[in-house]
Amino acid sequence: GIQVEQSPPDLILQEGANSTLRCNFSDSVNNLQWFHQNPWGQLINLFYIPSGTKQNGRLSATTVATERYSLLYISSSQTTDSGVYFCAVVRGNTPLVFGKGTRLSVIA
Amino acid sequence: GAVVSQHPSRVICKSGTSVKIECRSLDFQATTMFWYRQFPKQSLMLMATSNEGSKATYEQGVEKDKFLINHASLTLSTLTVTSAHPEDSSFYICSARDLAGDNYEQYFGPGTRLTVT
Repeated sequence: GIQVEQSPPDLILQEGANSTLRCNFSDSVNNLQWFHQNPWGQLINLFYIPSGTKQNGRLSATTVATERYSLLYISSSQTTDSGVYFCAVVRGNTPLVFGKGTRLSVIA
Repeated sequence: GAVVSQHPSRVICKSGTSVKIECRSLDFQATTMFWYRQFPKQSLMLMATSNEGSKATYEQGVEKDKFLINHASLTLSTLTVTSAHPEDSSFYICSARDLAGDNYEQYFGPGTRLTVT
């Protein structure tokens, strides 16, 4: 099956700093989604981005499908950005396959 | 955006009892629903896929007689954990997809935290 690798596994940032999270996948995909899992476990859907670039406030994402990677940018990080960020992909009408996540801690 | 609800959000049960978790798509028809489980500090692992009106497809290693899935309508799927044991304690998350317009986006419920004592 398709493999999803996320890096870095852990990241500590000072409030106000910027960061880039990476997601590599092993095969062509129909869909790629980025999620933020908050401390209560809720998965917040950040981006549906099988290709191209999208922006939503301080967050933006870019997927280069031909090179099989996606990047999530967080600018001017805030403590509320803390949590786990997951990348997940799907090929065909199959379920999303998740990476292991990046655990982000933003300290004041 | 599409909303998926899940109930209950938290449940504590005694070993040997059964627990039912409901997953509903509130504003779209979910042709396919998925059930994931997540252990602490780990990623989401797919348990099963269900299509409305047909039997669920379980992932390798998931006991279909223990985790009963029913996708009775285009807006409701249920997961029943039968004869629960402490090792079944976990965070269960449902997800739904509506393939109208070739949209492969998946929407997730808020999760159910199951504790078996």
